[in-house]
Amino acid sequence: EPEVTQTPSHQVTQMGQEVILRCVPISNHLYFYWYRQILGQKVEFLVSFYNNEISEKSEIFDDQFSVERPDGSNFTLKIRSTKLEDSAMYFCASSEQGRVEQYFGPGTRLTVT
Amino acid sequence: QKEVEQNSGPLSVPEGAIASLNCTYSDRGSQSFFWYRQYSGKSPELIMFIYSNGDKEDGRFTAQLNKASQYVSLLIRDSQPSDSATYLCAPSLNYGGSQGNLIFGKGTKLSVKP
Repeated sequence: EPEVTQTPSHQVTQMGQEVILRCVPISNHLYFYWYRQILGQKVEFLVSFYNNEISEKSEIFDDQFSVERPDGSNFTLKIRSTKLEDSAMYFCASSEQGRVEQYFGPGTRLTVT
Repeated sequence: QKEVEQNSGPLSVPEGAIASLNCTYSDRGSQSFFWYRQYSGKSPELIMFIYSNGDKEDGRFTAQLNKASQYVSLLIRDSQPSDSATYLCAPSLNYGGSQGNLIFGKGTKLSVKP
């Protein structure tokens, strides 16, 4: 069964460093999303992406964040200058055109020290 | 501010019983309602969704929606220890041709005792 994949599974970085989190959505899906979950808290929407542009973004998704679809399979989230409070699980999700269901990848645990 | 409220639990039920999980939401524009299951340290896993008032059944799971009351629930019949997880309610605006983002509740932790 097709699934969303994410790499790396765990990323440790120092405060102020740039990180890129990678996702490979399900192959025939056209809508892509990033969510995050701080430990012990709820899953929060960051951004949605369709047709090579951002569809929607939350207040969390400030100028430090960016997304890109660099090729036909990858979808990335970049955090330019990480802060301690960026430590969280980051989930990528995708959905098919005409369908409402979003399928989540396994997540990347980002630890900022 | 869009709010999704769930009882955090833990909700403890014996094996074989019916588990009832409830969710209320504040945004009347919500169109689709999703239930995800999340095991500790894992990602959300879609169980089912509903967008019409009434009941929708899928195997041991039944979702119930009442838009007038802004209330959605999930019933799990014949609960199994493997159902022990946190259950996340997530409404979505999902308007027009756009895919709406999900607004998650904090989740209800379910524990099924053998």
